[in-house]
Amino acid sequence: DQQVKQNSPSLSVQEGRISILNCDYTNSMFDYFLWYKKYPAEGPTFLISISSIKDKNEDGRFTVFLNKSAKHLSLHIVPSQPGDSAVYFCAASDGAQKLVFGQGTRLTINP
Amino acid sequence: GAVVSQHPSWVICKSGTSVKIECRSLDFQATTMFWYRQFPKQSLMLMATSNEGSKATYEQGVEKDKFLINHASLTLSTLTVTSAHPEDSSFYICSARKQGSTEAFFGQGTRLTVV
Repeated sequence: DQQVKQNSPSLSVQEGRISILNCDYTNSMFDYFLWYKKYPAEGPTFLISISSIKDKNEDGRFTVFLNKSAKHLSLHIVPSQPGDSAVYFCAASDGAQKLVFGQGTRLTINP
Repeated sequence: GAVVSQHPSWVICKSGTSVKIECRSLDFQATTMFWYRQFPKQSLMLMATSNEGSKATYEQGVEKDKFLINHASLTLSTLTVTSAHPEDSSFYICSARKQGSTEAFFGQGTRLTVV
C-alpha cells in the first residue's frame, strides 16, 4: 500500500519557468511533509518542509503548498534553473520518527 | 547544517561474503538513525530504525538476521549485509535526525554490488 504517491515519474520544464511537482498521500495521520532532492548515486538533500498546521511554506525559489482536505501537496520552483534537474521525493511523517517516501519525480530543466 | 557521513560510497563483494556500511553523524548526536534501500528508479524503502543502545526495529519483510544493524554510539550506526547475494545489490542510504527535530539528514549512500 503506497501511502505517499508521486504520480508523475518525470517532468520537463523550460529554464526560467515554474516547475510544479505533485504529491498525494492517503494516511490522514501524517502531520509533517518534506521535499528532498536527489542526484544519482547520492543521498537525498533536504529542500523544504511543511507542518500540517500550515498550508504554505516558502524558502527562496521553493514553495510548498499543502491541501489537507485533498491530501495533496505540491512543490513549486520558480524560476527553474538547470541545476534543479534531479529526482525529487516527497516524504511524510506521522509524528513517529520514520519517513514514508513517494516514488520520486525526475525533473529536467531544459535551457 | 547537520552532516551525515556514510562509508563506503561504493563496494563490490563476492557472493557469500559480508559487507559493513557505516553511518556517522558528524556534528550532532543522533539517538535514532534510519536505513533505507533504493532499487533503480524506485522510492526509498525504509529497512529499519536503529536506536542507540538497543535493538533495531525492522520493517516488515526485512530479514533482521541478514541485515544486521548496530547503533554503538550516539554518532555511529552500522549496517552489515551478511552472506550477500546478487539480489542484495542496491543503493543503501542512512539518515539521522537531530533530537527535537523532524528534519532528517541523509548520508551520501552506498552502492553495493554483489558478484
